Amino acid sequence: AQSVTQLGSHVSVSEGALVLLRCNYSSSVPPYLFWYVQYPNQGLQLLLKYTSAATLVKGINGFEAEFKKSETSFHLTKPSAHMSDAAEYFCAVSGNNQGGKLIFGQGTELSVKP
Amino acid sequence: EAGVVQSPRYKIIEKKQPVAFWCNPISGHNTLYWYLQNLGQGPELLIRYENEEAVDDSQLPKDRFSAERLKGVDSTLKIQPAELGDSAVYLCASSLRQSPHFGAGTRLSVL
Repeated sequence: AQSVTQLGSHVSVSEGALVLLRCNYSSSVPPYLFWYVQYPNQGLQLLLKYTSAATLVKGINGFEAEFKKSETSFHLTKPSAHMSDAAEYFCAVSGNNQGGKLIFGQGTELSVKP
Repeated sequence: EAGVVQSPRYKIIEKKQPVAFWCNPISGHNTLYWYLQNLGQGPELLIRYENEEAVDDSQLPKDRFSAERLKGVDSTLKIQPAELGDSAVYLCASSLRQSPHFGAGTRLSVL
């Protein structure tokens, strides 16, 4: 069985500050891990994914995430927040034999203060 | 490339009425998914197709929900009859391998 826990349903940062969104996963098979972003009234856009290659994954819009097997974590970071980063962020896990079926976390809403 | 297209974007119906959602996946994507997203939650898989075959429909409430993917391209998700608790966003996604691309979704309100 697989599951995802996102710590903090709402994170608020100041513009220019570090963004850190936390994600822990549980998986009985080697996981594929994803971060998606969802803007209001829109679908989910893929930010980045880990598929067993490099543990530090760089994505779009300056985001990156590090896969830490010992901590079962896949936290999302960005060095400097922009106002346009305000959105809902979802972490998801999949197994490499599950045809892309994603198990999502509850989501973290990121607010960016001017 | 064109993205996943869903219609309608919004739908308001009264309870016990039928409703249908349509999805056109990215060209060449053989895997198609329907996800349900309740307010304030992450999406949950309803059904997954590989070409025209439903390979994972364990989470689809089959008493009122049905889906089809004719010719392995477009797909339709139907609810009959709709209940108040079906109010949610219905997301369609498609993929060639492991990274699903999502459409904008259909927001359903059942009154």
